[in-house]
Amino acid sequence: EPEVTQTPSHQVTQMGQEVILRCVPISNHLYFYWYRQILGQKVEFLVSFYNNEISEKSEIFDDQFSVERPDGSNFTLKIRSTKLEDSAMYFCATLRRLASTGELFFGEGSRLTVL
Amino acid sequence: GENVEQHPSTLSVQEGDSAVIKCTYSDSASNYFPWYKQELGKGPQLIIDIRSNVGEKKDQRIAVTLNKTAKHFSLHITETQPEDSAVYFCAARRLGKLVFGAGTILRVKS
Repeated sequence: EPEVTQTPSHQVTQMGQEVILRCVPISNHLYFYWYRQILGQKVEFLVSFYNNEISEKSEIFDDQFSVERPDGSNFTLKIRSTKLEDSAMYFCATLRRLASTGELFFGEGSRLTVL
Repeated sequence: GENVEQHPSTLSVQEGDSAVIKCTYSDSASNYFPWYKQELGKGPQLIIDIRSNVGEKKDQRIAVTLNKTAKHFSLHITETQPEDSAVYFCAARRLGKLVFGAGTILRVKS
């Protein structure tokens, strides 16, 4: 079964450091998303990405965040200068096509701990 | 934008009993409603979904109902088993973005 792969599974970083989280989407999927889940809370939308550009972003996705797909395979989320409140699970999700009823496939997540 | 409310936040049932989780949504244009199960340390896994042109869908012990007029949908799990214990999230979507409910911690006691 196809799957979304995320690395690293867990990253610990110091406040103010840059972090890059990586995602390998399912090969024929065209739409990519990042979601965040703070411990014990709901899964929150961060950003959607299609055709090498951001299609939608939430209020959480401020100037400290960026996404790109530099080599046509990996889809990355960069946090420029991490804050304590960035500690969360970050999930990548992908969608084959933008039909309203397609399944969104989630990766296993990257746990980010900011000290 | 879309807002999804989910109840209850926690639910404890005896093994073999049924569990019902309810969600409401605000955007009448949302037309896809998936349910995800999340086990500790893992990503959300789709367990069942329903489109807006369908009122009910069943898959073995799991069923989902949708009332478009009232803008609410429910997950029903019958004959619960200990392995059903997890966090369950409902979500609503129009086109790309999924908006999640706050989640329900389901505990099945054996």
